[in-house]
Amino acid sequence: ETGVTQSPTHLIKTRGQQVTLRCSSQSGHNTVSWYQQALGQGPQFIFQYYREEENGRGNFPPRFSGLQFPNYSSELNVNALELDDSALYLCASSLGRSGNSPLHFGNGTRLTVT
Amino acid sequence: GENVGLHLPTLSVQEGDNSIINCAYSNSASDYFIWYKQESGKGPQFIIDIRSNMDKRQGQRVTVLLNKTVKHLSLQIAATQPGDSAVYFCAENIGRGSQGNLIFGKGTKLSVKP
Repeated sequence: ETGVTQSPTHLIKTRGQQVTLRCSSQSGHNTVSWYQQALGQGPQFIFQYYREEENGRGNFPPRFSGLQFPNYSSELNVNALELDDSALYLCASSLGRSGNSPLHFGNGTRLTVT
Repeated sequence: GENVGLHLPTLSVQEGDNSIINCAYSNSASDYFIWYKQESGKGPQFIIDIRSNMDKRQGQRVTVLLNKTVKHLSLQIAATQPGDSAVYFCAENIGRGSQGNLIFGKGTKLSVKP
């Protein structure tokens, strides 16, 4: 069984730039969720994708967007980067969208915005 | 690696002792709860979950207790080992229609002394 994999592991961008983060879900999982984790904090929900459509969104502005592909992999795109976007971005996969099955997380992408 | 334990409440225990990590959750409508373990440089790792129709669930060396009256969740780790040192997060799901949004607590850093 292959776990959740994310790329890249680390990334440095300049304020105003755009970034794309990638995630491959655990085999057999059809739902992908993205979370942002600031240093010393718990993860915060960005959005979830199920069957290639957004299936719920947290309190993040529209410059945070995503995609899910037919193989259930996913991308997180962030436009017009701000310094406060510096964080660990976590992808998690699960089976079903109900929120009543555990999310399985990847090891994240550490984004630094300078 | 990631310093996920920065400025978090810390629990320090001796190797071999039992550990109890507590969590107060926020929403009385939450019906599903999960405990995650996060080691430095890694994503959260699923430990154990419990649904709101239960008040206790046991796993291997771990037990989760749920008290819905006071909105309190605890994780008990038996015979704590150095490998248990990590930050522990509780997470709640507020029920159907929440589209898989897990709300994470602030985390507790567990430090095991050999």
